[in-house]
Amino acid sequence: SAVISQKPSRDICQRGTSLTIQCQVDSQVTMMFWYRQQPGQSLTLIATANQGSEATYESGFVIDKFPISRPNLTFSTLTVSNMSPEDSSIYLCSVAGTSGGGAGYNEQFFGPGTRLTVL
Amino acid sequence: DAKTTQPNSMESNEEEPVHLPCNHSTISGTDYIHWYRQLPSQGPEYVIHGLTSNVNNRMASLAIAEDRKSSTLILHRATLRDAAVYYCILRDYGGSQGNLIFGKGTKLSVKP
Repeated sequence: SAVISQKPSRDICQRGTSLTIQCQVDSQVTMMFWYRQQPGQSLTLIATANQGSEATYESGFVIDKFPISRPNLTFSTLTVSNMSPEDSSIYLCSVAGTSGGGAGYNEQFFGPGTRLTVL
Repeated sequence: DAKTTQPNSMESNEEEPVHLPCNHSTISGTDYIHWYRQLPSQGPEYVIHGLTSNVNNRMASLAIAEDRKSSTLILHRATLRDAAVYYCILRDYGGSQGNLIFGKGTKLSVKP
């Protein structure tokens, strides 16, 4: 299994500023994922981050708005840049790892999320 | 990934069984059926997964229709802690390193 922590757990930010969210995993993982969950909605994938390469962004998300770093196999950051109230969401970090789901099953583990409010 | 359809919400009484349905009529032969749930104020967590045969684990059972166009997650005795949003997700196991694509899920309420 994988235990994921995120910092900060929540923040209130002013419009036009940027916030960097940290994700720390207790084991080495190849792929890390960043999701956004807008109020009352399901999770939407922002990007996939592999160590040593550029992140791959999903449609509707761009690097200038959501730059991602992946300096090693246990850590990643997501920055929400030039924030507006529409960026108010929960941001979740996720990794895939083996688990009791069966031999070789790649269960996806999620962090507790960072609740961001933009005023 | 093929699409799934789930009811928006369901209610259950505590200590009674709960059957959460999922329709996936366009499922492909290599798609596995995964269930995750998201408790309030937490990230999603794995519940169960299967391909063709029914599956049981300590959390739940998964009943898969013979034609694989639908499945049912079964919680044998609902507790208040089972109140969550349950997501039915299809993913090609051949792409097992890939991410999960979440639909809207079913919000389960459990009454004492």
